[in-house]
Amino acid sequence: DQQVKQNSPSLSVQEGRISILNCDYTNSMFDYFLWYKKYPAEGPTFLISISSIKDKNEDGRFTVFLNKSAKHLSLHIVPSQPGDSAVYFCAALGISRTGTASKLTFGTGTRLQVTL
Amino acid sequence: KAGVTQTPRYLIKTRGQQVTLSCSPISGHRSVSWYQQTPGQGLQFLFEYFSETQRNKGNFPGRFSGRQFSNSRSEMNVSTLELGDSALYLCASSPQSSGNTIYFGEGSWLTVV
Repeated sequence: DQQVKQNSPSLSVQEGRISILNCDYTNSMFDYFLWYKKYPAEGPTFLISISSIKDKNEDGRFTVFLNKSAKHLSLHIVPSQPGDSAVYFCAALGISRTGTASKLTFGTGTRLQVTL
Repeated sequence: KAGVTQTPRYLIKTRGQQVTLSCSPISGHRSVSWYQQTPGQGLQFLFEYFSETQRNKGNFPGRFSGRQFSNSRSEMNVSTLELGDSALYLCASSPQSSGNTIYFGEGSWLTVV
């Protein structure tokens, strides 16, 4: 049962344009959503997160939007740069009711290629 | 400030052997979790530790185990290795018990032959 889905395996965007990466989830109990950038054989690099009680969070070129009613979130990168080319993972964080345990559930990733 | 450090970075083991991977979290971080990444299954949660206690465990067989020490450093062990255990094993740390900023190490790339 894939609780977090990234339906686009790849995306190609021109340098300077906006990149929009999408993510859908099924479990309404997730508390936070995080985006990571990853290169092969390396660990994910944390980019930005959003609380489930917010609908937008912005950090520099990265903005994450959350639509709880649609169980959908998206990461916007503006402007896109060649160095942004990587695989992007959406992850949902579930925290136990006692607040003492947490686990990330990852999507399958979207490969972003930013072309010149 | 040093990031999450994992050792070894690369290793090759034979089926049936066991392996121990080590993780040093970011200084001051007390929550450490482990993930496995394979081409077929993606990134999957193994377990999470906080203050030397395992508080959450993923859907992996008992051959996968871990522990956390008083200095927050963590180890994971896989016994009786199988070919399917070949993967990138990632350690992550977080400053709080339920933090929403979770940082990953570079990973330990295990190949089982």
